[in-house]
Amino acid sequence: DSGVTQTPKHLITATGQRVTLRCSPRSGDLSVYWYQQSLDQGLQFLIQYYNGEERAKGNILERFSAQQFPDLHSELNLSSLELGDSALYFCASSRDRGRTDTQYFGPGTRLTVL
Amino acid sequence: GEDVEQSLFLSVREGDSSVINCTYTDSSSTYLYWYKQEPGAGLQLLTYIFSNMDMKQDQRLTVLLNKKDKHLSLRIADTQTGDSAIYFCAERAGGFKTIFGAGTRLFVKA
Repeated sequence: DSGVTQTPKHLITATGQRVTLRCSPRSGDLSVYWYQQSLDQGLQFLIQYYNGEERAKGNILERFSAQQFPDLHSELNLSSLELGDSALYFCASSRDRGRTDTQYFGPGTRLTVL
Repeated sequence: GEDVEQSLFLSVREGDSSVINCTYTDSSSTYLYWYKQEPGAGLQLLTYIFSNMDMKQDQRLTVLLNKKDKHLSLRIADTQTGDSAIYFCAERAGGFKTIFGAGTRLFVKA
């Protein structure tokens, strides 16, 4: 158990809908990262937050947004969902002190868009 | 740009050693990581190596780093069926990004 929690574990929805994925980082970790893992694209970095502020942006679509709250939990919002958004969405957290930045991953949310 | 490359598949027999290779492009990488992902699970950190080290050993795992060639390898001694998983190489590149490879799927035959 990495200490990172994600809810829900599974999500099934229809095209055009909007969903919110939630992540709670390990105790003491200030950084949260979101990744998308699909069969054809591998593990894609979406976005990173550090202590409430956006720090780095990867291949995140405009239909997707995220935020990190004062208690450091994070939410990833996916809107106008398309079939191709079906994937595993992982959250990771790190202490982000020094240069190690070792990331610890949650168990993921499996999103199925029908 | 930043890129991490790995071969996609590796098949070994139980009891043999497995060697998973990775190449990266960012010469300013400070840390390099190996993660393991079992079916239906998240990525689990296996080990990491600082860029000024050549080798790191941890029980059955040996990490070798050739900084000149930007080549990283993970050797698993006495591979077991429970080692079957996807192994991801990652580099802590310049700035705030950690770049992951596509993952190597290890099959262990009994």
